[in-house]
Amino acid sequence: DAKTTQPNSMESNEEEPVHLPCNHSTISGTDYIHWYRQLPSQGPEYVIHGLTSNVNNRMASLAIAEDRKSSTLILHRATLRDAAVYYCILSNYGQNFVFGPGTRLSVLP
Amino acid sequence: NAGVTQTPKFQVLKTGQSMTLQCAQDMNHEYMSWYRQDPGMGLRLIHYSVGAGITDQGEVPNGYNVSRSTTEDFPLRLLSAAPSQTSVYFCASSYSGTHSAETQYFGPGTRLLVL
Repeated sequence: DAKTTQPNSMESNEEEPVHLPCNHSTISGTDYIHWYRQLPSQGPEYVIHGLTSNVNNRMASLAIAEDRKSSTLILHRATLRDAAVYYCILSNYGQNFVFGPGTRLSVLP
Repeated sequence: NAGVTQTPKFQVLKTGQSMTLQCAQDMNHEYMSWYRQDPGMGLRLIHYSVGAGITDQGEVPNGYNVSRSTTEDFPLRLLSAAPSQTSVYFCASSYSGTHSAETQYFGPGTRLLVL
């Protein structure tokens, strides 16, 4: 299964932008990049996904490098509620998700 | 829609006991799966199903059984509980499990403690 590498933890101040990086140097041309997050004591929830182009939704933006070997999840204004573990996952046809340890984001008031 | 529901929310078992963790979804999803999450770690896939009557093993299937008699339900059975199975268990579903861009929906989890 395709692998991703993320920093173990990051900190941000409330109402500031947060850039969460993910490296996926072995990505294939048909792998989608998914981001999920897990709030404390909850199941993971979908954040955003993309293939080649940058993507925006109401929760976040996803910036994908031109060579697709890395991507960045952007939270435009972090709130205390955004404190969670963020997972970057590659997915291809018929493949199951493989979760790494993710990045634990702390948001400081 | 209730989404993905799991019962019970919390369970304590003694070593050797058996139990069934329930998972149900009301989104008519074909794909369902079970994960376990140990403290400080990511989720690991136990078993999955791409439709009623079809199941397959994931990364850590030993000690667990599943069946899929209906589209809605995907129970996970612990045959003889061991302390190593103390974990939080999450059930998930998606439309078909085959398309790369599908979103997975997760339940709230069942916390299991095996003494």
